[in-house]
Amino acid sequence: AQSVSQHNHHVILSEAASLELGCNYSYGGTVNLFWYVQYPGQHLQLLLKYFSGDPLVKGIKGFEAEFIKSKFSFNLRKPSVQWSDTAEYFCAVKGGTSGTYKYIFGTGTRLKVLA
Amino acid sequence: KAGVTQTPRYLIKTRGQQVTLSCSPISGHRSVSWYQQTPGQGLQFLFEYFSETQRNKGNFPGRFSGRQFSNSRSEMNVSTLELGDSALYLCASSEAGVETQYFGPGTRLLVL
Repeated sequence: AQSVSQHNHHVILSEAASLELGCNYSYGGTVNLFWYVQYPGQHLQLLLKYFSGDPLVKGIKGFEAEFIKSKFSFNLRKPSVQWSDTAEYFCAVKGGTSGTYKYIFGTGTRLKVLA
Repeated sequence: KAGVTQTPRYLIKTRGQQVTLSCSPISGHRSVSWYQQTPGQGLQFLFEYFSETQRNKGNFPGRFSGRQFSNSRSEMNVSTLELGDSALYLCASSEAGVETQYFGPGTRLLVL
């Protein structure tokens, strides 16, 4: 069955620390990959996405993610986090063909950045 | 453009009742997807509507149904509510053929 795993459920970092959130998916076909973020009290919003091409994608607010096909991974990174990055982060995969595809989300990682 | 709107924002129902949730997508977006978000399960895909037709469906029982109107607004209905249906129900819209989804604030449903 298709699945998305986010290994860290809770992460606590100090400001300026580097961030890497893991995401692995289970799906054999072509996939589209996403990272969404939900800031406290706000809607889910797109951070970045990968459809094809350069496996290193850059998103908003200094975030980037690398698609490693051989590892079925799409890890999210940021070199230096800020207090305002405190939020919940969701990895998502869209796989399948028209009529059968589904979006599958990971269970999320709660990031707390200490000032 | 106005964002995705969902009504009502909060709802309390009792077991056995039914509920209808509404979603208005961003103007020009023809695809509307629904998700159930719970602390233990995360976001789970319910279904997607495109041009008034259900295009994809997740693994939820038949008690969960939806529809889309000609103006792309969508409704989701849950019949015979169970305690386990308590969740945040999210709606997301996207342009035809474009995969980025824009999420609404959600409707928080509590079933007593």
